[in-house]
Amino acid sequence: GNSVTQMEGPVTLSEEAFLTINCTYTATGYPSLFWYVQYPGEGLQLLLKATKADDKGSNKGFEATYRKETTSFHLEKGSVQVSDSAVYFCALSGGYSTLTFGKGTMLLVSP
Amino acid sequence: DTAVSQTPKYLVTQMGNDKSIKCEQNLGHDTMYWYKQDSKKFLKIMFSYNNKELIINETVPNRFSPKSPDKAHLNLHINSLELGDSAVYFCASSQGLLAGQETQYFGPGTRLLVL
Repeated sequence: GNSVTQMEGPVTLSEEAFLTINCTYTATGYPSLFWYVQYPGEGLQLLLKATKADDKGSNKGFEATYRKETTSFHLEKGSVQVSDSAVYFCALSGGYSTLTFGKGTMLLVSP
Repeated sequence: DTAVSQTPKYLVTQMGNDKSIKCEQNLGHDTMYWYKQDSKKFLKIMFSYNNKELIINETVPNRFSPKSPDKAHLNLHINSLELGDSAVYFCASSQGLLAGQETQYFGPGTRLLVL
């Protein structure tokens, strides 16, 4: 079946540091890949997505590239802000528009 | 103008009670979902409906019964609440079931605490 593995958190960074959150997946077929973000006390928000191999999704300074050869979709940002502190979820699409989520990675950014 | 809304936001109740959570989406989507998020933030799908028809019913106790009166609404009724039901429940919707329609939009969540 489909599965998503994310790096364990929390990831603790200082403001303006470079961020990478690793995500690898196992899937049949050619799923779409997503990153969602959950700010404290809120629901999940779509951050970015990629629908086919070599696509790059980007939004708000975050980027992730769909790498079929390494089955990865790592999230990166060049310079994090305190306001980026949240839980980040990697997900892939399956049949019937289902999403399989990773366990989430908490990011804590200090001033 | 909220896209996916849920009520109530917080729900505190006693073991054994019955409670309902409501969800509405104004995106014109055909497909809606219920997820449970545990204390470790793990998200697990419970149900999905497409045009009022049940599509996915994961291994969920039959104390949980979803109802979709129309494609814009998906409610969740829980009978005989147990301590282990304490969690955050999220509703979500997507355009449909076809490839390219799977991006899901989430509600703000309902924080259920069973005492």
